[in-house]
Amino acid sequence: QVTLKESGPALVKPTQTLTLTCTFSGFSLTSSGMRVSWIRQPPGKALEWLARIDWDDDKFYSTSLKTRLTISKDTSKNQVVLTMTNIAPMDTAMYYCARTHSSGWYLDSWGQGTLVTVSS
Amino acid sequence: DIQMTQSPSSLSASVGDRVAITCRASQSISRYLNWYQQKPGKAPKVLISVASSLQSGVPSRFSASGSGTDFTLTISSLQPEDFATYYCQQSYNTLWTFGQGTKVEVK
Repeated sequence: QVTLKESGPALVKPTQTLTLTCTFSGFSLTSSGMRVSWIRQPPGKALEWLARIDWDDDKFYSTSLKTRLTISKDTSKNQVVLTMTNIAPMDTAMYYCARTHSSGWYLDSWGQGTLVTVSS
Repeated sequence: DIQMTQSPSSLSASVGDRVAITCRASQSISRYLNWYQQKPGKAPKVLISVASSLQSGVPSRFSASGSGTDFTLTISSLQPEDFATYYCQQSYNTLWTFGQGTKVEVK
């Protein structure tokens, strides 16, 4: 059974750096074709794809956020970490991590999400 | 980046109605188009991948078609559990993008 769970601070102050962790089970990010993405959703708004890390350590970032994002993986802990610098109130959102299986180019398993509020 | 535009942004429908949602890409994405359903307070769930491939467990009243830049998700007979927001998402290039969503509401 594939599971993913996001964790991180619920409240962050503006200008700080946000660090989110996705802890997963039921698959290995060392297996060819496996990928993990981060997606966010501001309250009442649409989904926004943020970043992806692949089994071979290739990394991809949303063009609009790439200067602020870093994605990394720790395969020994089955974790993917996303950091976002210079946080602002508009970054308030539910943050999800999701898996892409080697058999397809879609997000087949999602975490429950973690809500991050940016406020002073 | 490839922009994905859905229409309509919202629609009102009744149980039993046939509903169609369209998604247009800003450039050709072949068939690298996926559809997700999201209910309030829940994570999205993939319904359809590669433009028209129904995921396991998804009711057959859901179907989709399209290629290139124009895609359609159809619900043949809307059921109470189908009231939700639907998103398209392209995976044609390395940077993925979602549409802005279509909310299907009770009429």
